[in-house]
Amino acid sequence: NAGVTQTPKFRVLKTGQSMTLLCAQDMNHEYMYWYRQDPGMGLRLIHYSVGEGTTAKGEVPDGYNVSRLKKQNFLLGLESAAPSQTSVYFCASRSGTSEAYEQYFGPGTRLTVT
Amino acid sequence: SQQGEEDPQALSIQEGENATMNCSYKTSINNLQWYRQNSGRGLVHLILIRSNEREKHSGRLRVTLDTSKKSSSLLITASRAADTASYFCATEETSGSRLTFGEGTQLTVNP
Repeated sequence: NAGVTQTPKFRVLKTGQSMTLLCAQDMNHEYMYWYRQDPGMGLRLIHYSVGEGTTAKGEVPDGYNVSRLKKQNFLLGLESAAPSQTSVYFCASRSGTSEAYEQYFGPGTRLTVT
Repeated sequence: SQQGEEDPQALSIQEGENATMNCSYKTSINNLQWYRQNSGRGLVHLILIRSNEREKHSGRLRVTLDTSKKSSSLLITASRAADTASYFCATEETSGSRLTFGEGTQLTVNP
């Protein structure tokens, strides 16, 4: 199993450009999450999904949109990138089974907005 | 704001010593989890303790939870250079399905 994969690994955008980050998991997990991590800070939840076709806002959703059209994929979109969105983005997934609480993380996408 | 606050922010020890990291949180929780992050990598789950548990062990890891003080500690015994990483606590609130992470402790184990 590949686990959780993220595409791309690195990206540089200019202010105002758009892009989509792709997260894929092959563990048949119900729940998927997008976080951002800034220097000296822990992870902050952007958006999450508790199942195919569902999405919900996290702690810092402004400037981002998400879609979960297929169970195995969770897409994070930036419609008009801003320098404040320079960060490392992590995707994670989790089983929907009760008692299976741990999250599995992807390797991250390092995004720089100039 | 972050649910969890970790202490210390950075810890430097010699190989073979024990490392203790602390985490405090604010709201009622279902469980508290500890994750490890090597530089430039994703987080890896280490151990979970439920709200009705007080102590849990896994290999060289020992986690305690005090729900009355809303705090937890992670002890790594007989540390190794390979334990050098950032360690994060994360709480799952009673509403479920989401984790809130602390700011992490950077552990350096010197050979």
